[in-house]
Amino acid sequence: RKEVEQDPGPFNVPEGATVAFNCTYSNSASQSFFWYRQDCRKEPKLLMSVYSSGNEDGRFTAQLNRASQYISLLIRDSKLSDSATYLCVVSQTGANNLFFGTGTRLTVIP
Amino acid sequence: EADIYQTPRYLVIGTGKKITLECSQTMGHDKMYWYQQDPGMELHLIHYSYGVNSTEKGDLSSESTVSRIRTEHFPLTLESARPSHTSQYLCASSEWGQVYNEQFFGPGTRLTVL
Repeated sequence: RKEVEQDPGPFNVPEGATVAFNCTYSNSASQSFFWYRQDCRKEPKLLMSVYSSGNEDGRFTAQLNRASQYISLLIRDSKLSDSATYLCVVSQTGANNLFFGTGTRLTVIP
Repeated sequence: EADIYQTPRYLVIGTGKKITLECSQTMGHDKMYWYQQDPGMELHLIHYSYGVNSTEKGDLSSESTVSRIRTEHFPLTLESARPSHTSQYLCASSEWGQVYNEQFFGPGTRLTVL
């Protein structure tokens, strides 16, 4: 079983739509959770960390459910510039390794 | 923007050649990493380092080797390139001791072995 599994996508949504991505992780000892964004043929960049209580950054909201080993990312009022692949990333605190999901591709359509 | 650099950005080379992919960061990070990513697939860790003279293999087996003689520099070497090595190689770095292991990535080297 993969360490991190994500919605396969692709998601094609109109501008202004709200879209949600889901992710599950297999290691219950995981402590650190992130969403990274990767544009086509570019490097991944941190979008936001995911805290136990859930957190919001502008139009982006991340939530963590430890009991279900589930992470989500909600994007409100989608912009064309949100088009990218969103990577769910998990690690154990202090560990050397981040485990990446395969990513969910989002395309925001005018 | 993260101050982590990789050269070359693109490399097309014949089978059997020795190649070195360069990675440098100016953030003073102790931890550095090499990932391999095939198109449409997840990143896999192939090497990491906790600091100077520290190198470890990652989860994905790789025929490449790395060295860490200086904090800012973490080159990856393939002694004899083969078509199966064709992939994108991403270098990353992070601070030591952060609670959240945030990593900053370089732009990547896209390697094609003919």
